[in-house]
Amino acid sequence: EVQLVESGGGLVQPGGSLRLSCAASGFTFSSYWMHWVRQAPGKGLVWVSRINSDGSSTSYADSVKGRFTISRDNAKNTLYLQMNSLRAEDTAVYYCARDLERWQPLNFFDYWGQGTLVTVSS
Amino acid sequence: EIVMTQSPATLSVSPGERATLSCRASQSVSSNLAWYQQKPGQAPRLLIYGASTRATGIPARFSGSGSGTEFTLTISSLQSEDFAVYYCQQYNNWPPAADTFGQGTKLEIK
Repeated sequence: EVQLVESGGGLVQPGGSLRLSCAASGFTFSSYWMHWVRQAPGKGLVWVSRINSDGSSTSYADSVKGRFTISRDNAKNTLYLQMNSLRAEDTAVYYCARDLERWQPLNFFDYWGQGTLVTVSS
Repeated sequence: EIVMTQSPATLSVSPGERATLSCRASQSVSSNLAWYQQKPGQAPRLLIYGASTRATGIPARFSGSGSGTEFTLTISSLQSEDFAVYYCQQYNNWPPAADTFGQGTKLEIK
């Protein structure tokens, strides 16, 4: 059974940093592109970032470019999101999500984690 | 940049009836369109991709249609568990300059 379990969310002050993790199991993690998608309270879904299967290629939404860094450790079956210079508007539930196909990015998502809440407030 | 617009924002339908949800793209996305269902406190679930292909385990009462700029998600006979928020997502242009998801349609019990 495919499972994605996020952790690392919490309350952080504006300008602070946080690192999210997503532990994957039940599939060959190293074969899949992975994504982060966020959802502000009561709002819709917003794509944040993606990474290719071996971690050599990344892309970001303009709203987080230069502040967030996506990475992965295939030996640990774990996806990360390092978030720096956090702002109030980054407050959201952050989901990790798997791309549908192995080896290539189709950029839609067949499995999602349960999400981890990040709150940026003083 | 492609903007995805869903309508209506809220749809009230009785159980057993048909629900039709719309999604419009500001420019053609070919058939590169997915639909997701999200219930309160849960992660989204993939329903449809390629505009009309049901994802694994999705009941046949869910169907998708359309191409180019106009898309429809139809739920043929609403069950109690179908009342949720539905999002469309284009994946034709990547990375997206703007939000790749529509703003959502809330399907509520009439």
